[in-house]
Amino acid sequence: AQSVTQLGSHVSVSEGALVLLRCNYSSSVPPYLFWYVQYPNQGLQLLLKYTSAATLVKGINGFEAEFKKSETSFHLTKPSAHMSDAAEYFCAVSVSGGYQKVTFGTGTKLQVIP
Amino acid sequence: GAGVSQSPRYKVTKRGQDVALRCDPISGHVSLYWYRQALGQGPEFLTYFNYEAQQDKSGLPNDRFSAERPEGSISTLTIQRTEQRDSAMYRCASSPAGGLGTDTQYFGPGTRLTVL
Repeated sequence: AQSVTQLGSHVSVSEGALVLLRCNYSSSVPPYLFWYVQYPNQGLQLLLKYTSAATLVKGINGFEAEFKKSETSFHLTKPSAHMSDAAEYFCAVSVSGGYQKVTFGTGTKLQVIP
Repeated sequence: GAGVSQSPRYKVTKRGQDVALRCDPISGHVSLYWYRQALGQGPEFLTYFNYEAQQDKSGLPNDRFSAERPEGSISTLTIQRTEQRDSAMYRCASSPAGGLGTDTQYFGPGTRLTVL
């Protein structure tokens, strides 16, 4: 079975600083990886996903993530944090082969300090 | 509709009562998923439908939980004889394709269930 681990349940950055949210995965077969964002009182929204094409994936709102097989990682980055980036971020994993469940991490709350 | 909607948004009930949570997916979406999310946790899979067929219910915690999607659109998650441990956010998601591993899931705002 596949799983993801998000390091740090809370991350604080200053406005304009680099955002780095960490995600490591475990899977016995090549994974598909996702980052979702959840704003208060809203549903989760897809930021980006890796589906075995390019290892550097660009998403919405200036976010990107790089799939590193050797490190089993899929960290989320953004060069310059904006106040509107304050939200909870979830890493998720699934695998290929027809229907597959998506397994979510425990989430990281991002605080942006003005 | 424009997005996935869920109702009610908040539900407070007494232990032992039955509750029914509704999900209205994006029009035309084939797949529908139910998740439960405890405080400080990520969404935990409960069950999944393709059209009206329940394809996977392995995440339902016990037989007090059931779900249906009789016409392949709106779905209802029913919890019988609620217990305090059932208190959580219940989220619904839909996707256009057939539950493939690459699918993007579109989430509703959730129903916050509190069992007193």
